Amino acid sequence: DSGVTQTPKHLITATGQRVTLRCSPRSGDLSVYWYQQSLDQGLQFLIHYYNGEERAKGNILERFSAQQFPDLHSELNLSSLELGDSALYFCASSFHADTYNEQFFGPGTRLTVL
Amino acid sequence: GQQVMQIPQYQHVQEGEDFTTYCNSSTTLSNIQWYKQRPGGHPVFLIQLVKSGEVKKQKRLTFQFGEAKKNSSLHITATQTTDVGTYFCAGPAFPEGGNNRKLIWGLGTSLAVNP
Repeated sequence: DSGVTQTPKHLITATGQRVTLRCSPRSGDLSVYWYQQSLDQGLQFLIHYYNGEERAKGNILERFSAQQFPDLHSELNLSSLELGDSALYFCASSFHADTYNEQFFGPGTRLTVL
Repeated sequence: GQQVMQIPQYQHVQEGEDFTTYCNSSTTLSNIQWYKQRPGGHPVFLIQLVKSGEVKKQKRLTFQFGEAKKNSSLHITATQTTDVGTYFCAGPAFPEGGNNRKLIWGLGTSLAVNP
């Protein structure tokens, strides 16, 4: 158990819908990272927040947005969902702002878009 | 943009055989991290290498960072069924137009071990 929690574990929805994925980092960690993992696509970095501020962006679509709240939990919002958005979404946390430190991953949310 | 390539993509070995996965970056890395993801699980941090030419060992696992800090390898001696999973390398990069680094991940090497 990494100490990072993600909800829900599974999510099934239809194209065009909007969903919110939630992540609570390890106690004391200030950074939250979001990743998308599709079959044969590896881990795609989406976005990084540190202490409530956006720190770095990856290949995040405009239909996707995220935020980190004062209590440090984070939410990833996915809208106008398409079939290709079906994937495993991981959240990871670390203490520092920089990428010099190991990241602790949550169990992931499996999103299925029908 | 900066890329991190991993080879091979898949490797199938008999239990007891050795296994090596290679990670190559298009640019010099300040450090490199290795993670393991078991089937159905999430990535778990294994190790971080920082110095040029660094070699670190964890039981049957040996990690190396190249002299030029552009490549790295993970070698497993005498594989066991518990080694099954996907091994990822990741290195920091500055995104275009950005000031804050992000981790660039290789696509991973999936290891299957026949008992």
